[in-house]
Amino acid sequence: EVQLVESGGGLVQPGGSLRLSCAASGFTFNNYAMHWVRQAPGKGLEWVSDISWNGDNRDYADSVKGRFTIFRENAKNSLYLQMNNLRPEDTAVYYCAIPGLYSAWGQGTLVTVTS
Amino acid sequence: QSVLTQPPSVSGAPGQRVTISCSGSSSNIGAGYDVHWYQQLPGAAPKLLIYDDTKRPSGVPDRFSGSKSGTSASLAITGLQAEDEADYYCQSYDSSLRGNVVFGGGTRLTVL
Repeated sequence: EVQLVESGGGLVQPGGSLRLSCAASGFTFNNYAMHWVRQAPGKGLEWVSDISWNGDNRDYADSVKGRFTIFRENAKNSLYLQMNNLRPEDTAVYYCAIPGLYSAWGQGTLVTVTS
Repeated sequence: QSVLTQPPSVSGAPGQRVTISCSGSSSNIGAGYDVHWYQQLPGAAPKLLIYDDTKRPSGVPDRFSGSKSGTSASLAITGLQAEDEADYYCQSYDSSLRGNVVFGGGTRLTVL
């Protein structure tokens, strides 16, 4: 069974940092590009970042570029999102995901940025 | 403002048919990129409902169908049931944007 399990969310002050983790199982992790998608409270889905299967290519939404870093450790079947200089507008549930044909989504982890 | 435009809400009575539109442009749906549809129940992660414009993953009832024409796509739900009440999102890809993955703003389906 394909599983993606996020962790690392929590409450943080503006300007602070958090690192999200995503543990993958049930499929060959290093065959897939991986994504982070977020959903602000009561809002829609927003693509945040993705990383190629080998980590060589990474992309970011303009709203997070320069503050967030995506990386992966294929030997550990794990995906990460390092979030620095957090802003209140980053408050959201963050999903580790494979959108599209091979769809897989975690349960999400809530990040709350507030003073 | 989402790249793909969906109506904020639709509604229908049990047993009826509803459609949800997803309007894009020549750099996404109109460029031939696949459209996928997700259902999101309250408090849950999105679940794939339709992939590659028209295909249903195993386990998804044939009451759900997808179509695409030009720069738009649609999700149709027939024989509406109370458990269909959820948020629905279209997703595609856009050649003009970083990362390419784009979502519609979502449509809340209410079963009357």
